[in-house]
Amino acid sequence: GAGVSQSPSNKVTEKGKDVELRCDPISGHTALYWYRQSLGQGLEFLIYFQGNSAPDKSGLPSDRFSAERTGGSVSTLTIQRTQQEDSAVYLCASRKRQGANSPLHFGNGTRLTVT
Amino acid sequence: AQKVTQAQTEISVVEKEDVTLDCVYETRDTTYYLFWYKQPPSGELVFLIRRNSFDEQNEISGRYSWNFQKSTSSFNFTITASQVVDSAVYFCALSGAGETSGSRLTFGEGTQLTVNP
Repeated sequence: GAGVSQSPSNKVTEKGKDVELRCDPISGHTALYWYRQSLGQGLEFLIYFQGNSAPDKSGLPSDRFSAERTGGSVSTLTIQRTQQEDSAVYLCASRKRQGANSPLHFGNGTRLTVT
Repeated sequence: AQKVTQAQTEISVVEKEDVTLDCVYETRDTTYYLFWYKQPPSGELVFLIRRNSFDEQNEISGRYSWNFQKSTSSFNFTITASQVVDSAVYFCALSGAGETSGSRLTFGEGTQLTVNP
């Protein structure tokens, strides 16, 4: 596609429920990233994929968070038993290759609100 | 470990003023890459510029200019003759060239710029 696409754009869920956030990267981009942005905060790295594998998942805050990527394309970030502190904007980004000099292209994010 | 510091949390200027956003970084990599992103109120992050550590030449793009100084580990961003549409949060980011440090961008906390008419 023309840009990184994320769905849903907004998600309101009750505490304790599971949620799935979807990211469709730019076609041909092999590297995919998930970041989290809490209200008024910077971007917090969560996980990165190269192809279908995740060489770096060190940013996942707890074992309630997991992510997968299939077919070297779409990725899903799953949060189990959501807590209020999970409320944030979850941003997905992709880049053409893993090379450090290649800029990330971001989606518009999913705003998650846990009530 | 890599770190990016944007000491200015918020800046407010009047239209047509020049404004400089500061960015200071820390890295152990000898080769690294610096970025600036803009996040307008709509929320999407827009890539503005990338700078390689081995190229200290400053860059100008229209009203935007960037001053990279390796000696002070700074990569400052200046907007000349600011406009209301420049109002946004601006993020500075760093990526190393190593296998681990190059796998992600480390972002600063961002600077909220408000340009008043």
